[in-house]
Amino acid sequence: DAGVIQSPRHEVTEMGQEVTLRCKPISGHNSLFWYRQTMMRGLELLIYFNNNVPIDDSGMPEDRFSAKMPNASFSTLKIQPSEPRDSAVYFCASSSSGMIYEQYFGPGTRLTVT
Amino acid sequence: AQSVAQPEDQVNVAEGNPLTVKCTYSVSGNPYLFWYVQYPNRGLQFLLKYITGDNLVKGSYGFEAEFNKSQTSFHLKKPSALVSDSALYFCAVRDSGDYKLSFGAGTTVTVRA
Repeated sequence: DAGVIQSPRHEVTEMGQEVTLRCKPISGHNSLFWYRQTMMRGLELLIYFNNNVPIDDSGMPEDRFSAKMPNASFSTLKIQPSEPRDSAVYFCASSSSGMIYEQYFGPGTRLTVT
Repeated sequence: AQSVAQPEDQVNVAEGNPLTVKCTYSVSGNPYLFWYVQYPNRGLQFLLKYITGDNLVKGSYGFEAEFNKSQTSFHLKKPSALVSDSALYFCAVRDSGDYKLSFGAGTTVTVRA
């Protein structure tokens, strides 16, 4: 299996621009998570999907952030408009449904907003 | 509420010496515990987990961890460290009734040759 796939790996954009991050989970996994990692705040859970349905988006910082999962093999995280404080590494992770299962992380997207 | 503490920001050991990375947790129910490793510019990689059963669990790359319920700890260990084990290590906990995984702040391990 190729593991969790994320694109792009690096994104540099100017403040005010729209940014879309993409994720393909491991085939057969029902749960998908988006995280943000910064030096100051560590790993933060942004949103959790189960069977393509958003279950908990309480970690989404503000209305500028949105996420979708139109099918079992694809998810997007969109930031519009982007701000310099959004600069971080964004990870997508997937797992089988159930509390006992570990999450598998993608390589991340390093976002820089200037 | 659930939380994880990794009391050491950094651990430095010589190659060939034992390596221990400490983790303590707090949950209201039964804990499901996980260890992950992150190499520079990479995603987190799963090492091992404790769900139930034997308190000593073995994982990838020669790592093991011991679950101690009375001390609410889940320390990661490796009998003989390698330079290639130098990385950032995260402990994580999930309450048995919750989907959310709470991560510690991470411990940077440096193994010197």
